[in-house]
Amino acid sequence: AQTVTQSQPEMSVQEAETVTLSCTYDTSESDYYLFWYKQPPSRQMILVIRQEAYKQQNATENRFSVNFQKAAKSFSLKISDSQLGDAAMYFCAYRTRNSGNTPLVFGKGTRLSVIA
Amino acid sequence: GAVVSQHPSWVICKSGTSVKIECRSLDFQATTMFWYRQFPKQSLMLMATSNEGSKATYEQGVEKDKFLINHASLTLSTLTVTSAHPEDSSFYICSAPDRLYGYTFGSGTRLTVV
Repeated sequence: AQTVTQSQPEMSVQEAETVTLSCTYDTSESDYYLFWYKQPPSRQMILVIRQEAYKQQNATENRFSVNFQKAAKSFSLKISDSQLGDAAMYFCAYRTRNSGNTPLVFGKGTRLSVIA
Repeated sequence: GAVVSQHPSWVICKSGTSVKIECRSLDFQATTMFWYRQFPKQSLMLMATSNEGSKATYEQGVEKDKFLINHASLTLSTLTVTSAHPEDSSFYICSAPDRLYGYTFGSGTRLTVV
C-alpha cells in the first residue's frame, strides 16, 4: 500500500519570505499523480498544485512550485513571497494512475503559519 | 470548474437521532464519491467509497450500519449517520473525481452530537 509522510507538523515563515514543505511517499508503482492541497480555517480543501509522475519537469503555479525527485520519492512544495493568506494546513497526497477512480492517500499535514 | 455542493455545512443533533449529509455534483457526473472524516488538527481519513448504483465499499473499522451511504444517481451521494452519539461528532467531507484527473471536494459538514 502507498504511504505519504509529511515530517513537519508545523512550519512558520515571515511574510514575503520563502518556505519549503517536505513530503515523501512510498510506492512500488511507476506512474501516479502527486498533489498538494491547502486547507484554510474554513476547512475547504483547495488544490494548490499537481504533478504527474511521468513528467520530469517540476510543476509550478504562480508562487507555488514543487521539487519532484522521483528516484528519492520526494515531493516538496516551495512557497515564494509568502502571504498572510497562505496560512493553512497543507496536505500532500498521492493517487495511483493505473486503475479507475481511486481515493487520494493523504499525509498527516503541515500547519503553516505566516508571520507579519 | 467542477463543483461538489455539500449540505448541511453545520448540524447539531441529539444523541440517538440520525443525520443525513448530502453531496451533489453540480456540473459533472460523479460516478464515484469518497467520504472522509477529519478530526481536529488531523488529516482526512477515508471512510468509504460509493459508486452510483452499487453498494458502498467501507474501510476497515468503519461501521457500515452506522454510516449508511447511498449513491442513487450520478449527481447525488448521501451519508447518513444513524443513532448518532457524541463520539460521532466530527468533520465529514466528500470528494469526487472530476473530468480530468483531479478531485473536487465538498465544503464539509461539521457534526456535533449532544
